[in-house]
Amino acid sequence: AQTVTQSQPEMSVQEAETVTLSCTYDTSESDYYLFWYKQPPSRQMILVIRQEAYKQQNATENRFSVNFQKAAKSFSLKISDSQLGDAAMYFCAYRGNYGGATNKLIFGTGTLLAVQP
Amino acid sequence: NAGVTQTPKFQVLKTGQSMTLQCAQDMNHNSMYWYRQDPGMGLRLIYYSASEGTTDKGEVPNGYNVSRLNKREFSLRLESAAPSQTSVYFCASRAGQGFGSVGGYTFGSGTRLTVV
Repeated sequence: AQTVTQSQPEMSVQEAETVTLSCTYDTSESDYYLFWYKQPPSRQMILVIRQEAYKQQNATENRFSVNFQKAAKSFSLKISDSQLGDAAMYFCAYRGNYGGATNKLIFGTGTLLAVQP
Repeated sequence: NAGVTQTPKFQVLKTGQSMTLQCAQDMNHNSMYWYRQDPGMGLRLIYYSASEGTTDKGEVPNGYNVSRLNKREFSLRLESAAPSQTSVYFCASRAGQGFGSVGGYTFGSGTRLTVV
């Protein structure tokens, strides 16, 4: 079974600084997708960034980028120029690419990010 | 606005009471999911429906039942609520079908359920 591990329950960063959130996963599959979701206090789940395992290039979305190390099964999220609005719970998630429509998102336990002004 | 609508947003139940959480999506998505979120445990899958007419158990199905009423609606029922079911419940849907489809996930805004 696939598992996702986030070893940092809480992190803190100064406004305008850079922070990296860690995520590791375990799978025997070779083709899969990895995601970072943001959950602000409103509870809404917001997709931050997505990485396809077959792509060697790390995904980037504005101030958000990932460091995807497939061999090490590591998928960290880097937030540059942190803003107060980045304060939220961040979840790492995995989805296999086998099984068609039955594929399910598997989540880590989350990292609560605080941004200090 | 297109998306996933969950009702109610908040609910307090007494132990032993029953209730149904409603979820509807208007994006013509095939797959729908129910997750529960608990502190320190992330989101865990309760049940899912790969397509209309099918439902399957997820990681934590005990104490719950589901119904995929039609393509739009996927309800979650607690027959006899227990304090251990106090949680935030999320419904999600996904467009993708077939082998290799990516398909983005869309989440509802959640239901905070307290069982006393």
